[in-house]
Amino acid sequence: KAGVTQTPRYLIKTRGQQVTLSCSPISGHRSVSWYQQTPGQGLQFLFEYFSETQRNKGNFPGRFSGRQFSNSRSEMNVSTLELGDSALYLCASSLEGSGGRDTQYFGPGTRLTVL
Amino acid sequence: KNQVEQSPQSLIILEGKNCTLQCNYTVSPFSNLRWYKQDTGRGPVSLTIMTFSENTKSNGRYTATLDADTKQSSLHITASQLSDSASYICVVSPISGGYNKLIFGAGTRLAVHP
Repeated sequence: KAGVTQTPRYLIKTRGQQVTLSCSPISGHRSVSWYQQTPGQGLQFLFEYFSETQRNKGNFPGRFSGRQFSNSRSEMNVSTLELGDSALYLCASSLEGSGGRDTQYFGPGTRLTVL
Repeated sequence: KNQVEQSPQSLIILEGKNCTLQCNYTVSPFSNLRWYKQDTGRGPVSLTIMTFSENTKSNGRYTATLDADTKQSSLHITASQLSDSASYICVVSPISGGYNKLIFGAGTRLAVHP
């Protein structure tokens, strides 16, 4: 069974631009979560989608948004990029997304650099 | 405030040696505690998961222990290999809530040298 895939793997943008990241979960997984990882802050939860609905949201500004499609694939969008948005963005999928009881499988991440 | 603190921040050991990583948490009550391994530039991979009632869980050369009374967990790596070089992240899940409630430690960066 194929793992979680994320595209693109690397991205370089300039301040003010917007970016869209894509995540394909493991087949059969309905929950997709997004995380931002930076050296200073570690892993921070962005949001979770389940059956095309945002179920949980972290403490990030509205510039960060996402969506999930009927095939469970998910996209994350960041508008008006800032230098501080430079990070590794990780997508994780799980069967039902029942919080800590359900194992999350992480993708390789998208490394976003904002210049 | 619920917290997860890991120590040491970084560690260097020689290949073949054992090491122990620590995780102290204040989350209470909690559902489970996980250890993840994250290779550089890759996503985290789950190594072990323990509920509050378990006190040890093994995965090959990795053994996690949990002391719910002292709110401490440790990850012991036996006969280390170069491929063990990675960051190890402790994650605690509160008794209720979704992934937005997970509390991540900052991680321990392990370097195994030949």
